[in-house]
Amino acid sequence: NAGVTQTPKFRVLKTGQSMTLLCAQDMNHEYMYWYRQDPGMGLRLIHYSVGEGTTAKGEVPDGYNVSRLKKQNFLLGLESAAPSQTSVYFCAIGQGTYEQYFGPGTRLTVT
Amino acid sequence: KQEVTQIPAALSVPEGENLVLNCSFTDSAIYNLQWFRQDPGKGLTSLLLIQSSQREQTSGRLNASLDKSSGRSTLYIAASQPGDSATYLCAVRKNTGNQFYFGTGTSLTVIP
Repeated sequence: NAGVTQTPKFRVLKTGQSMTLLCAQDMNHEYMYWYRQDPGMGLRLIHYSVGEGTTAKGEVPDGYNVSRLKKQNFLLGLESAAPSQTSVYFCAIGQGTYEQYFGPGTRLTVT
Repeated sequence: KQEVTQIPAALSVPEGENLVLNCSFTDSAIYNLQWFRQDPGKGLTSLLLIQSSQREQTSGRLNASLDKSSGRSTLYIAASQPGDSATYLCAVRKNTGNQFYFGTGTSLTVIP
């Protein structure tokens, strides 16, 4: 998946637990994105970053936080997981206004 | 907000057939449009990117067209193969902001 890796691949959480998803890239792209994919709803943007040290909200940011301390890494945090956050999470990278490249995804289940 | 629609949601064709997948969007003020392929349990693979100033892009057996004024894009797949079976997604980027808006995809099955 074009130099984009995601950790972990699978995770099961109990309601109220916290966790961090890691996205790492080796393509030196400026832009990084976090999406969630739910059946029948397509991919929806959670947060994104246009460069090291910057973050911005997407379409569905509530319940999530992000950080981009290093250019190659973009972290997605869930402070208090809820069943509604059960989803497949995808990280994507891009260079300016050009095409996006996606990671393999993290499948998260919150019970 | 940009709404992106892909119809049909599912399509089944015999091997060798040429086919067209559709993507429509409500706001014509787009910067570009990207077509992706997604295999079950996998991430998205970029197929083609069309800038708003372009009418079409080609890659191998794939041809994507864009009619910005009517809010439509099509992905043409020639001589379909079983290996083309996957979900195909389109995403549009608006002129303003950094957000891509995705359709819900068309699930394609090519029958040997």
